Amino acid sequence: RKEVEQDPGPFNVPEGATVAFNCTYSNSASQSFFWYRQDCRKEPKLLMSVYSSGNEDGRFTAQLNRASQYISLLIRDSKLSDSATYLCVVASGGGADGLTFGKGTHLIIQP
Amino acid sequence: DAGITQSPRHKVTETGTPVTLRCHQTENHRYMYWYRQDPGHGLRLIHYSYGVKDTDKGEVSDGYSVSRSKTEDFLLTLESATSSQTSVYFCATQSSGGWETQYFGPGTRLLVL
Repeated sequence: RKEVEQDPGPFNVPEGATVAFNCTYSNSASQSFFWYRQDCRKEPKLLMSVYSSGNEDGRFTAQLNRASQYISLLIRDSKLSDSATYLCVVASGGGADGLTFGKGTHLIIQP
Repeated sequence: DAGITQSPRHKVTETGTPVTLRCHQTENHRYMYWYRQDPGHGLRLIHYSYGVKDTDKGEVSDGYSVSRSKTEDFLLTLESATSSQTSVYFCATQSSGGWETQYFGPGTRLLVL
């Protein structure tokens, strides 16, 4: 069974701090990796894809370690608006049943 | 954002009754999905569709059926609702451009009493 594990949190972080989330996945054949953001009582939205070389989008940096089957998300200079649940998502192939979602990490940015 | 709507947005029903949830998209995306989201679980795939009249089962399909008679509509039916089907249901659509093109609808909150 494909598994994606995340620390559920909550992570309580002061505004302006840097926070990091981790995620591990069990399927070594996984091919694509993503972080989604989900606000309370809203739908998930793609935050960023994760590439082997690591990638950055503004204050957000994602890293992938295939050998350890580990994905990370770093948020710098956190804002109140970053408060949300962050879902780690792994795709094991192109088939429609290929996405496996983690349970999410809840982040609370405190003023 | 993709033009995805779900109806109803909220529903309360009784055990044993049939329930149909509708997902409508205006993006002409080929692929459509139904997921459920429950506390303590990640999103889990119920059914999906590759195109009109082309559907298949996902991880948690028992007790659910789907139909897709038009590109824009994907219906999820709970044949005889049970309390274990109380959940938040999300529809998603995807173009042919890969997983990054998957977008979710706003969700339907279903309570089965």
